Amino acid sequence: NAGVMQNPRHLVRRRGQEARLRCSPMKGHSHVYWYRQLPEEGLKFMVYLQKENIIDESGMPKERFSAEFPKEGPSILRIQQVVRGDSAAYFCASSPSGSEAYEQYFGPGTRLTVT
Amino acid sequence: GNSVTQMEGPVTLSEEAFLTINCTYTATGYPSLFWYVQYPGEGLQLLLKATKADDKGSNKGFEATYRKETTSFHLEKGSVQVSDSAVYFCALNRDDKIIFGKGTRLHILP
Repeated sequence: NAGVMQNPRHLVRRRGQEARLRCSPMKGHSHVYWYRQLPEEGLKFMVYLQKENIIDESGMPKERFSAEFPKEGPSILRIQQVVRGDSAAYFCASSPSGSEAYEQYFGPGTRLTVT
Repeated sequence: GNSVTQMEGPVTLSEEAFLTINCTYTATGYPSLFWYVQYPGEGLQLLLKATKADDKGSNKGFEATYRKETTSFHLEKGSVQVSDSAVYFCALNRDDKIIFGKGTRLHILP
């Protein structure tokens, strides 16, 4: 049973470009979460999605960031017009249910560098 | 609000030493509690969890007990190894989001 998959693992973008990060949850998991880890800091929640629905986006910056989890295919975190401050590791997690008793399984992350 | 506070690192120990990493939380109700570990250049792996008061989570020689009265979930290991060198995150799950502490970097010297 493959774990959570993220690609690309490393992404370099120039200021002003768009970044697209992909996440495929574990088989059988329909709940996806995105977190951001800034250098030397813990992870911060960004957004929680189920298939075709955004459940909680309270941690997502209001501008330039968007996320989707379509009926078919991976979840996508999209950052438009990237700035240097967007450089971070972005982790996706999945769980079989939204119940708090279930742990979230994390992918290896995408390390975004904005030059 | 909900938050997690854990001891700041780095923590440096010799191999076979006893490890404690302190963690306390603030939350409404009774969240599930977790310890995650992050090895260099990798994602997070769940180390152990506890879902209710007095539960003890354990894995790979690590243990942590959910203490409601002190709102704590301290991580312990009786004899650490060089391979335990990593960053350890205490976390709670509330309202479908995981709230992490800032992490504690652990260095084990041979």
